[in-house]
Amino acid sequence: DIVLTQSPDSLSVSLGERATINCKSSQSVLYSSNNENHLAWYRQKPGQPPKLLIYWASTRESGVPDRFSGSGSETDFTLTISSLQAEDVAVYYCQQYYSTPITFGQGTRLEIK
Amino acid sequence: QVQLVQSGAEVKKPGASVKVSCKAAGYIFTRYAMHWVRQAPGQRLEWMGWINGGNGDTECSQKFQGRVTITSDTSANIAYMELSSLRSEDTAVYYCARELPTGHDAFDIWGQGTMVTVSS
Repeated sequence: DIVLTQSPDSLSVSLGERATINCKSSQSVLYSSNNENHLAWYRQKPGQPPKLLIYWASTRESGVPDRFSGSGSETDFTLTISSLQAEDVAVYYCQQYYSTPITFGQGTRLEIK
Repeated sequence: QVQLVQSGAEVKKPGASVKVSCKAAGYIFTRYAMHWVRQAPGQRLEWMGWINGGNGDTECSQKFQGRVTITSDTSANIAYMELSSLRSEDTAVYYCARELPTGHDAFDIWGQGTMVTVSS
């Protein structure tokens, strides 16, 4: 199974500042047939299901604000929130869909400083 | 409006089975795969399996050692997940999630979740 390890486990950032979350995969999730990284990012607020933010490592889902961006390739990935808003307080998860079992990171809790 | 609506909360005794439903609306059910993911209290998301909405093919995580069965009723646009031989560690919120249409992809629409509590 592919293991995803996120860092940090929790993060405290001031409103308007940048937040960066990392996700490291135990093996490459770059799919040779389409040259895409099979990695996504989700945001989960308390009592709600996860919401897709980024897929193919860097493609923003429709309707997601452009302050969210994803980068990285193969085994190392980053989610960046360029200017933190109050509504971004949540837990963020990375997910690999390169192979089954599909797996998720342990989550990063983002709070306002 | 594209949405997935799941069945209500369940309380089960150890050893029993639970069947959770997920009704799809606002899109063509047979053109998308549906996945099941669970989340135990304070734990990370855990993938359970998926079903091809078109042909009904399924794949389930080996972790569940045959305890999970995923089916669908295409005439009613409903997917089901049944988990048997329940134990306390199965207490969790269970989600259905639609896969993006390109295949081998992320999950763009999620159900609201179904809380399953296993307790004697």
